[in-house]
Amino acid sequence: GAGVSQSPRYKVAKRGQDVALRCDPISGHVSLFWYQQALGQGPEFLTYFQNEAQLDKSGLPSDRFFAERPEGSVSTLKIQRTQQEDSAVYLCASSLYGAGVEQYFGPGTRLTVT
Amino acid sequence: GDSVTQMEGPVTLSEEACLTINCTYTATGYPSLFWYVQYPGEGLQLLLKATKADDKGSNKGFEATYRKETTSFHLEKGSVQVSDSAVYFCALRSDKIIFGKGTRLHILP
Repeated sequence: GAGVSQSPRYKVAKRGQDVALRCDPISGHVSLFWYQQALGQGPEFLTYFQNEAQLDKSGLPSDRFFAERPEGSVSTLKIQRTQQEDSAVYLCASSLYGAGVEQYFGPGTRLTVT
Repeated sequence: GDSVTQMEGPVTLSEEACLTINCTYTATGYPSLFWYVQYPGEGLQLLLKATKADDKGSNKGFEATYRKETTSFHLEKGSVQVSDSAVYFCALRSDKIIFGKGTRLHILP
């Protein structure tokens, strides 16, 4: 595709609900990254895939957060039993190969937990 | 750990004014440095980068020089336009990208 796309763009969840956020990277990009951006803050790294392999998940804030990329293309970030502190914009980025080259960012999904 | 500190906003300037957004970093090793820009309603875009000391990154009239001695990477533009209104993020990359908190820039016509 022309760029990284994410869906939904906006999500409102009641506290305790599970949510799933989708990322479609640029076609052919091997690497995919998830970031969390709280209001008024810069993006913070969550996790990184190379193809279907999750190489780094050190930024995931708790075991309620889970990411997958089963076929090495589309990725889903799942948050179980959402809490108010999970409210943020979740950004996805992809790169041709690795963390050392330019990452292209999607528009993000704004999650609000009420 | 590695970190990035940038000046807080919002910064409000008149069109054609001179811009500086300060950014300093703390890192072990020799990271690459970046400025990203986020226009309203759009995703983050890479504005410019520098990969080693004394490198100057430039794009769209913006410039930043990698200063190892002062651990800084200040963003500058000599004459801003209304279309430059956006949020600007300074970032470094060691094994992962670490972003500053962002600086919102408003340019008044």
